[in-house]
This record gives sequence, structure tokens and C-alpha cells, in this order.
Amino acid sequence: AQSVSQHNHHVILSEAASLELGCNYSYGGTVNLFWYVQYPGQHLQLLLKYFSGDPLVKGIKGFEAEFIKSKFSFNLRKPSVQWSDTAEYFCAVNAPRGSTLGRLYFGRGTQLTVWP
Amino acid sequence: IAGITQAPTSQILAAGRRMTLRCTQDMRHNAMYWYRQDLGLGLRLIHYSNTAGTTGKGEVPDGYSVSRANTDDFPLTLASAVPSQTSVYFCASSLGQGQGSPNTGELFFGEGSRLTVL
Repeated sequence: AQSVSQHNHHVILSEAASLELGCNYSYGGTVNLFWYVQYPGQHLQLLLKYFSGDPLVKGIKGFEAEFIKSKFSFNLRKPSVQWSDTAEYFCAVNAPRGSTLGRLYFGRGTQLTVWP
Repeated sequence: IAGITQAPTSQILAAGRRMTLRCTQDMRHNAMYWYRQDLGLGLRLIHYSNTAGTTGKGEVPDGYSVSRANTDDFPLTLASAVPSQTSVYFCASSLGQGQGSPNTGELFFGEGSRLTVL
């Protein structure tokens, strides 16, 4: 079975600080990778995804992530965070084959708190 | 607005009671899922359905059942609720096998149902 590890459970930053959230997965084959965000009291929303092509993926709200296949990593970055980025962030992976396509495996999440 | 609708949004019930969480989507996605979200554990898959008429077990299926009579609806039933089933439940859908290209398996989530079992 696949697994996803998020290194930080809780990250606290001041506004304008840079952000990097780590994500590693364990699966040797081709994968699709996702970052979802959950704002307080809301459901999960897609932040960005990688499925092929340029390993540097840009998402909404200035977020980006880099897929490094050799390191099985898909770290999320943002050069300058805002208070409104306070949320929980989930990394997820699936193996893009047939009936397992939608079977996303999620990390445990990283709570980001940004102080104004 | 197209999307996923869950009901109820919140419910408190006594242990031993039967409860059904409803989920309806209007995106014509073949695949649907139920996840539970617990603090520190992230999201764990309970059951899934790749297409109408089929269902499968996820990581934590015990104590839950699902049905998929049609494309749009995917109810989750707790036959006899226990306190450990206190959680936030999210229904999700995605394009199924053969739907769309590229099909990355991206999930679309409902707003969640907060369930407390006393």
C-alpha cells in the first residue's frame, strides 16, 4: 500500500515569511500528486496537482510545488505567506491506473498558522 | 452550482442508533468516496464506489455500509453507532475510469458532516 508522510504537524509563521511544507510518498511506480487545503470550517479544496510534464507546478494563491522523483517528494512552497493562508494542508498521492485512479492516499496534514 | 451536497451538516446521536449520511453529486462522476477526518490522522477512506452498482472497502470500513443505486447518490450508513465513530465525514467524487482525459483522479469534496456519538 502507498503511504504519504508530511514532516510537519504544525507550522507557525509571521506574515511575509517563506513557507515550505514537506511531503514524501512511498510508491515505486508512476504517481499523480496533489496538495489540498482546508480552511477553518470548510471542506478540502485542490491547491495544485502534478500528473506529468514540468515537475514545478504552480497552483492557486501563489503556491507552487516541486516533484522530485528521485527523492519521492512533492514539497509545497510559497515565497511570502499571508494571514489568509492559515489552514490545514494535505498532501495526497494516487497511482493513475484503472480502477484505483481515484484512490487518493492522504498524509496526516500540516496545520499552518500565520500571524499578522 | 454543480458540486457535492451532504446532509446533515451536523448530528448528535446516541450510541446504538442507526444513522445514514446522505451524499449527492451532480457532476456525473462515476467514482464516489467516503472519508472520515480525525485530528492527527488526516483523511481515511471508509468505502468507495467506482461506478453505479459497485462498492468497495477502504482503509476503515468496519461499522459502515454504503450503497450506490445510481450515479448521483452514495449514502453512508452506521448500523449501530459507537462513540469511536465521532468524526467529520466527507463525501467526494472523481471522474471514473474512462471518463475524461487527462483523468488524474482529482477529488471534489462535499462540505462535510460532523457526527457526534454519545
